[in-house]
Amino acid sequence: KAGVTQTPRYLIKTRGQQVTLSCSPISGHRSVSWYQQTPGQGLQFLFEYFSETQRNKGNFPGRFSGRQFSNSRSEMNVSTLELGDSALYLCASSGLAGGSSYEQYFGPGTRLTVT
Amino acid sequence: SQQGEEDPQALSIQEGENATMNCSYKTSINNLQWYRQNSGRGLVHLILIRSNEREKHSGRLRVTLDTSKKSSSLLITASRAADTASYFCATVPFSGGYNKLIFGAGTRLAVHP
Repeated sequence: KAGVTQTPRYLIKTRGQQVTLSCSPISGHRSVSWYQQTPGQGLQFLFEYFSETQRNKGNFPGRFSGRQFSNSRSEMNVSTLELGDSALYLCASSGLAGGSSYEQYFGPGTRLTVT
Repeated sequence: SQQGEEDPQALSIQEGENATMNCSYKTSINNLQWYRQNSGRGLVHLILIRSNEREKHSGRLRVTLDTSKKSSSLLITASRAADTASYFCATVPFSGGYNKLIFGAGTRLAVHP
């Protein structure tokens, strides 16, 4: 099976712009989660989507949003970019059917730099 | 904010030695997982231990879980240079956690040939 893919791998944006990141989960996986990794805050949970519904959300401002499509692919959007949004954004998919969580499979990440 | 702490923050050992990393967390959990990350790349799942388990093995990895102390340890035996990476523990909250992983700060392991 192909792994989790994320596009683009690298991105440079200017403050105030918006950005959309894409994630394709492992075939058959219906759960997609997003994480932000920065040197200062470490790895932080953004949100999780399951069957096109946001099932869980972390403590991030409303500028961070996401969605999931019927084929389980997911996108996350960050509007009005700030310098502090510079980070590695990781997507993970899981094959659970529902209920208790299992191991997650991570993509290589998208490195976002905001100037 | 992160769930808990890991120690040490950094560990430097020689090939063949054992490496032990510790993780503490704050709330009740469904399970605890360990992940490895090489140089800012994606994370790789290593092992999952459920809240009703006390010890688990996978190859050269041994994980223990003490829910009364809210702590876990990861032991890598007979370390190799290829084990050089950052290691993170991650917990899933007991209720409503689904796939929400709460990560520790991580331990940077350097294994020297």
